[in-house]
Amino acid sequence: ETGVTQSPTHLIKTRGQQVTLRCSSQSGHNTVSWYQQALGQGPQFIFQYYREEENGRGNFPPRFSGLQFPNYSSELNVNALELDDSALYLCASSLEREQFFGPGTRLTVL
Amino acid sequence: SQQGEEDPQALSIQEGENATMNCSYKTSINNLQWYRQNSGRGLVHLILIRSNEREKHSGRLRVTLDTSKKSSSLLITASRAADTASYFCATDTNDYKLSFGAGTTVTVRA
Repeated sequence: ETGVTQSPTHLIKTRGQQVTLRCSSQSGHNTVSWYQQALGQGPQFIFQYYREEENGRGNFPPRFSGLQFPNYSSELNVNALELDDSALYLCASSLEREQFFGPGTRLTVL
Repeated sequence: SQQGEEDPQALSIQEGENATMNCSYKTSINNLQWYRQNSGRGLVHLILIRSNEREKHSGRLRVTLDTSKKSSSLLITASRAADTASYFCATDTNDYKLSFGAGTTVTVRA
């Protein structure tokens, strides 16, 4: 167990809807990163937050947005859901270079 | 595009045998990390090897890194059924994000 938790575990949405995914980081970790993992592929970096500021972003459109709170927990928001957004969403917390992942949220867009 | 690429894509071995998988990457790295993923759930951090290290051990795992060839290998010795999983290498460049390959799926037969 890494101490990183994510909610919900599973989620089903329809195209065009909005979704919020949540992540609680491991105690003491001030950095949270979000990844999208499509079926059969490796995780793709979405963005990273360090001390409540976005610290880097991957090749994802602006409808993917995030927040980090003072307790270092984080949210990933996706607007105007598309079918291709169906994936496992992983968050990872870190203090230095090692990233520790949560169990993920499985999002299905119908 | 993905920075790390694992080889082979899939591996089937008998319990007790060794499993070796390789990772190649394209650009200079700060470190390289190996992760395990069971059944599409969260990633478990296995080992981190820094760019100035050549070999690292953790239990039954042995990781090598050759920065001149931009490649790494993960060896699992005396495999067990519980080692059945997907294994990913992830490269950490200086921008803190991890870039993953598509993974190697390992099946350990009883």
